[in-house]
Order: sequence, then structure tokens, then C-alpha cells
Amino acid sequence: EVQLVESGGGLVQPGRSLRLSCAASGFTFDDYAMHWVRQAPGKGLEWVSGITWNSGNIVYADSVKGRFTISRDNAKNSLYLQINSLRVEDTALYYCTKEYSSSWYYFDHWGQGTLVTVSS
Amino acid sequence: QSALTQPPSASGSPGQSVTISCTGTSSDIGTYNHVSWYQQHPGKAPKLLIYEVTKRPPGVPDRFSGSKSGNTASLTVSGLRTEDDAHYYCSSYAASSVVFGGGTRLTVL
Repeated sequence: EVQLVESGGGLVQPGRSLRLSCAASGFTFDDYAMHWVRQAPGKGLEWVSGITWNSGNIVYADSVKGRFTISRDNAKNSLYLQINSLRVEDTALYYCTKEYSSSWYYFDHWGQGTLVTVSS
Repeated sequence: QSALTQPPSASGSPGQSVTISCTGTSSDIGTYNHVSWYQQHPGKAPKLLIYEVTKRPPGVPDRFSGSKSGNTASLTVSGLRTEDDAHYYCSSYAASSVVFGGGTRLTVL
């Protein structure tokens, strides 16, 4: 059974940094691209960033470019998201997702999310 | 990377059919057939319902179907059931990135 378990969220002040982690199991992690998708409270989904299986291609949403860094450690079956210069508008539930069938743009498994709250 | 446009709400009675639209641009839906739909129940993670405009992953009932015309994609839910009461999000590939719609709250009356 595929499992994605996010961690690292919390309450942080604007301007600070945070590192989110996602522990993956139940599938061959280094066969798939992985993504982060976020959802602000009561709002819709927003794609944040994606990384190919070998980290050879990394893409970010314009809204986070320059502040967010996605990475992965295939030896540890783990995905990460480094978030710097946090803004109030980054407050959201951050989901770790797995691509569906080598597609890049479809996500067939999602974690339960880790909540990031940015407030002074 | 502008969000796709969905109606905020839709509704139908059990057994009826309802169609939810998703309007993009020539930079996303209009150019690529990489359109997907997700269902999200309150407090739960989204679930992939439709991919590549019309295809269903294993386990998704054939009551859910997708289509596309020009810059607009659509999701049709036939034979509505109470468990279909949820939020629905469309998504499209857009030149390396992915863009979602704002979501549609489907109420089964």
C-alpha cells in the first residue's frame, strides 16, 4: 500500500524558514516524479513544485519561485520542501503527491498533508 | 500560471446527471490533452478521478466521465449518488507546470 506521510509544518513568523518532509513507502520511490500541492484554509488546490525521479528536472510555480526549494533523497525514500522568507499567504496544508504512471502532471496518491501557518 | 475557471457550485438530485465545466486558455487546456479531475471530500486528500481528459484510473466508477472542447473541459457525473457530494477540481498541464481550477462544490440534494 502506497503511503505518503508529511511532517515539518507548524506555526512560524513571517520571514522565517521551514523544511517540510515526506516519507514515502509502498512503491519504488525512485521510479516516480513527486510534487508538492498546497491548499489554503477553505480554498482550492495550488500546485507548488515538482521534481523528476532523478532530480534532473525541477519546476516551481511562479508564486514560490526563488523562495521554495524542492529536493529528494531516493536512498531515504523522502521528498523535501525548503520554504524560505515565509509570507502570510503561504499559510496552507501542504500535500506530498506521487505522479501517476510516469505522467508528471497527474497525481494518484496524496498524503494527509502538513499544515503551515504563517503569522506574527 | 492563472487558475482555471470553474463554477463555484453545482447541484443535482440522486439519479440525475450533472456537468461541471472548467475553462482555461490556449496555454493550457486548449493546447494539451493533459486534463484531470479530482474529487475531495471534507477533511480528506483529493482523489484522482479522470486523467488525459477522458480516462479513468482503476476503481473509479464509469459514472464519472470527462470531455474537452477548445479551451473548456467538462466532468459529467451520471446517476448521482449521495457519496458524490464533494468538491471537484480540474487540472491541466501548462508547459512544465500544473494549474488547478478554483473548485466546484457539488451538492447532491
